[in-house]
Amino acid sequence: QQQVKQSPQSLIVQKGGISIINCAYENTAFDYFPWYQQFPGKGPALLIAIRPDVSEKKEGRFTISFNKSAKQFSLHIMDSQPGDSATYFCAAREGGNTPLVFGKGTRLSVIA
Amino acid sequence: SAVISQKPSRDICQRGTSLTIQCQVDSQVTMMFWYRQQPGQSLTLIATANQGSEATYESGFVIDKFPISRPNLTFSTLTVSNMSPEDSSIYLCSVGLAGRGTEAFFGQGTRLTVV
Repeated sequence: QQQVKQSPQSLIVQKGGISIINCAYENTAFDYFPWYQQFPGKGPALLIAIRPDVSEKKEGRFTISFNKSAKQFSLHIMDSQPGDSATYFCAAREGGNTPLVFGKGTRLSVIA
Repeated sequence: SAVISQKPSRDICQRGTSLTIQCQVDSQVTMMFWYRQQPGQSLTLIATANQGSEATYESGFVIDKFPISRPNLTFSTLTVSNMSPEDSSIYLCSVGLAGRGTEAFFGQGTRLTVV
């Protein structure tokens, strides 16, 4: 049973374009929704995270949009660059002492 | 925040042997989590390690294969026993700080190749 569904599986975006990755969840007890960026051979690195009391969080070119009623959240990468090419994972968690549940990941390729 | 040091960062091991991975945190934490990431896959939780009690394993993972120690609030080890090539993965430890909605932190991972 997959608790966090992520799409698309892969994404190709032109340099300067917007990359959008979507995730959906069922567990309404989730209260923390991070996105992780992973480069080949490296561990996942926290990119940006949101809590359900806000609908949007922006950090530089990265924005999380959160729709509590739809139980969906998405990552937007503005002005995508070739250096953004990586695998992105969404995740969710019920509280600080519970483990993260991960989506299956999206392989992003930004082409010039 | 929390800084997590994980050792070794990578290793190449012979099948049938065991490898112990260490995870050291710079602050006291109640729960530590061990994940496995198989090549090209997402992260899968192996077990939750609570200091002072037996680790709790997820479906598909057993203590005989992945014994875990949690001797204190800043340290844990995961052993991958009797390794086979299918155990080739990145193994990661993670901690969460007490309180709802706090960030989750990861070690840099251990890249294991079994030959």
